[in-house]
Amino acid sequence: AQSVTQLGSHVSVSEGALVLLRCNYSSSVPPYLFWYVQYPNQGLQLLLKYTSAATLVKGINGFEAEFKKSETSFHLTKPSAHMSDAAEYFCAVKAGGYQKVTFGTGTKLQVIP
Amino acid sequence: GAVVSQHPSWVICKSGTSVKIECRSLDFQATTMFWYRQFPKQSLMLMATSNEGSKATYEQGVEKDKFLINHASLTLSTLTVTSAHPEDSSFYICSGHREGGQETQYFGPGTRLLVL
Repeated sequence: AQSVTQLGSHVSVSEGALVLLRCNYSSSVPPYLFWYVQYPNQGLQLLLKYTSAATLVKGINGFEAEFKKSETSFHLTKPSAHMSDAAEYFCAVKAGGYQKVTFGTGTKLQVIP
Repeated sequence: GAVVSQHPSWVICKSGTSVKIECRSLDFQATTMFWYRQFPKQSLMLMATSNEGSKATYEQGVEKDKFLINHASLTLSTLTVTSAHPEDSSFYICSGHREGGQETQYFGPGTRLLVL
């Protein structure tokens, strides 16, 4: 079984401030973890993914995430928020070779000018 | 990159009619395609998994006779919402898994269905 929990359905940050979106996972086998971004009325775009290589993963648009097995976490960060970062972010988990991906409930990021 | 398209992007139909949504992988072969449904302000819920040339596997609670999925080729999967009703109004998103690729699904842009 696999699941993912995103803490905080809404997060507001000021432009230029640190972005931190939290994600905790549960998986019975070593997981693959993903962060996706969704803009209004659009599909999902992959930001970054962890597939058992380096625990610190760098993605597009300046985002990065760190896999911490001891904390079962995969939090998404960005040092300085930009207005264009305002969107909904989904954390997702896939248990090893099994193809089914389970998504979290999403976190809507608001960037305040 | 790997691109997935969906057609149409928007559809409005009358209650009782059927609607077909196409999902195409444009630059790769998708041995497996997934169909998701997303209600407003909610996450994606997997509806079914389809493998090319075989019957789709539906998630619990999804009516297979209502949501017909066909995956006739490695680049095309279709979702047909039969006898649509207003409660079927939603955002439908497909994704493709590339054979031999990394553990990533490539998502289409979604299709917004409104049933009147």
